[in-house]
Amino acid sequence: EVQLVESGGGSVQPGGSLKLSCAASGFKFSDYWMNWVRQAPGKGLEWVTNIKEDGSEKYYIDSVKGRVTISRDNAKNSFFLQMNSLRTEDTAIYYCARGWSNSLDYWGQGTLVTVSS
Amino acid sequence: QSALTQSASVSGSPGQSITISCTGTSSDIGRYDLVSWYQQHPDKAPKLIIYEVSKWPSGVSNRFSGSKSGNTASLTIFGLQAEDEGDYYCLSYAGSNTWVFGGGTKLTVL
Repeated sequence: EVQLVESGGGSVQPGGSLKLSCAASGFKFSDYWMNWVRQAPGKGLEWVTNIKEDGSEKYYIDSVKGRVTISRDNAKNSFFLQMNSLRTEDTAIYYCARGWSNSLDYWGQGTLVTVSS
Repeated sequence: QSALTQSASVSGSPGQSITISCTGTSSDIGRYDLVSWYQQHPDKAPKLIIYEVSKWPSGVSNRFSGSKSGNTASLTIFGLQAEDEGDYYCLSYAGSNTWVFGGGTKLTVL
């Protein structure tokens, strides 16, 4: 059974940092692009970033470029989202999701990031 | 990277059919047949229901149907059921390995 489990969310002040993790199981992790998608409270979904199977390519939405870094550790079936210089508008539930056939076929349950003073 | 445009809400009675539209541009929906649709129930993670415009993932009901014309993709739900109530989002490839979601449509089953 495919499972994605996020961790690392929490409350942080503006300008602070947080690192999210997503632990994958039930599939060959190194064969898939992986993604982070966020959802601000009461708002819609927003694709944030993705990373290629071997970690050699990474792409970001403009609003997080330079502040956020995606990475992965295929040996540990995990990938990560390092978020720096956090802003109040980064407050959201962050979901990790697997890329498959040009879609996102499996999602984690989400982890809440709250940026507030 | 502007969000795709979806109507805010749609409603229908059990057994009826409804259509949700998702409008983009010639740089995303109009250029690529890479639109997917997601269903989200309150406080739950989204669920993939259509990929590559009109294909069904394993285990998804064929009451859900996807299509595309020009810069607009559509999701039709046939034979509405109470459990279909929730939020629906489209997602399109936007080039350069980036993706863009629609703003979401809230479906109410009357």
